[in-house]
Amino acid sequence: DGGITQSPKYLFRKEGQNVTLSCEQNLNHDAMYWYRQDPGQGLRLIYYSQIVNDFQKGDIAEGYSVSREKKESFPLTVTSAQKNPTAFYLCASSILRTSTDTQYFGPGTRLTVL
Amino acid sequence: ELKVEQNPLFLSMQEGKNYTIYCNYSTTSDRLYWYRQDPGKSLESLFVLLSNGAVKQEGRLMASLDTKARLSTLHITAAVHDLSATYFCAVEQITGTASKLTFGTGTRLQVTL
Repeated sequence: DGGITQSPKYLFRKEGQNVTLSCEQNLNHDAMYWYRQDPGQGLRLIYYSQIVNDFQKGDIAEGYSVSREKKESFPLTVTSAQKNPTAFYLCASSILRTSTDTQYFGPGTRLTVL
Repeated sequence: ELKVEQNPLFLSMQEGKNYTIYCNYSTTSDRLYWYRQDPGKSLESLFVLLSNGAVKQEGRLMASLDTKARLSTLHITAAVHDLSATYFCAVEQITGTASKLTFGTGTRLQVTL
């Protein structure tokens, strides 16, 4: 089955730790995205990548880092510099610039800081 | 800076009733999307609206886009309990090859029996 997978589903982090969230897609999509969702709010863009080995900051990139070494994978690292990381993190992917493309979302990772 | 506003933020409606969710945005955009989110779950794509006057319908949901007014609506006809969820609109801006979505804050819909 084609789709987007994220792991882990739940993640607990101690203050001062870096943690990495996994996102993999087998849809052969060019673009991948990371969003953060806080309770009762919409999604905010953290980082996005249009092609391998290239990525751009979104609206709230501070305290986060990403890599795009393979087309299928776009991991997100939440660093200790992110002061309030507790949130629901969603990864998405899309084909670029077709008339019907939309962003398809993974199941999400819920991160809690202890 | 692009701003996307949805209203209402919360909507409680009885089964069988009709209602409309509104999505206003502040600057010119390329496309507009509607998504559904069930509690604790990911987002499910409902509609992609590509141009002015676009109207799409799926079951009891119908979405429309007026780019001149910078307004999209999601109309619910004869609501049923299964439609209870949070609905988000998202506005796309394309710069070069980059596609960015800016989301509204969402409308939480509760359909009561």
